Amino acid sequence: QSALTQPASVSGSPGQSITISCTGTSSDVGGYNFVSWYQQHPGKAPKLMIHDVSNRPSGVSNRFSGSKSGNTASLTISGLQGEDEADYYCSSYTTNSTLKVFGGGTKLTVL
Amino acid sequence: QVQLQQSGPGLVKPSQTLSLTCAISGDSVSSNSATWSWIRQSPSRGLEWLGRTYYRSRWYNDYPLSVKSRIIITPDTSKNQFSLQLNSVTPEDTAVYYCARADDRSDFDYWGQGTLVTVSS
Repeated sequence: QSALTQPASVSGSPGQSITISCTGTSSDVGGYNFVSWYQQHPGKAPKLMIHDVSNRPSGVSNRFSGSKSGNTASLTISGLQGEDEADYYCSSYTTNSTLKVFGGGTKLTVL
Repeated sequence: QVQLQQSGPGLVKPSQTLSLTCAISGDSVSSNSATWSWIRQSPSRGLEWLGRTYYRSRWYNDYPLSVKSRIIITPDTSKNQFSLQLNSVTPEDTAVYYCARADDRSDFDYWGQGTLVTVSS
């Protein structure tokens, strides 16, 4: 049971936009602006796509954006492309003994 | 460009110690703006942060309570690397283990290639 809750799967057609949610508590997502999002292709290490809720690292497409409202963070991918098909994970700082928590992951399928 | 190269055995017997090393190039384990973590991933437990080491005028370590009693992460400045030791392993510790760098201004921005470690007799 992951500390952060994500939908198991989402799908969209090329060119469309999708949003993946990540729900936590006031001890993690809701209490701090330290939410990150990772993209993982099969057999590869995760890749940082968003940090501090909405900041994109250098080299990450501006089709990826992040936001937060209350205890729920969101990742939006616009203009879906086939290469976006991957698993996506959120993570957050937490005040409990774990210090860092991850979501269970969302499989994005590009139809 | 930062690169992290992992090494270590892929098979460990139950009750023994899992040991992995992460060699750093393009940065320093003694950096004052980075932290160095181990993270594992398994189908049953998902992604799990195991702890970190970092240098801010002195060395610090942080571990989650879930593994704190049996984990040690140590830096090696002479080889510019850091290592993971996880004691008393069980089959539940079977996972892909990653080392990762977190910059003070972002999060885990560089990762090792991953090592599948199986705990089995």
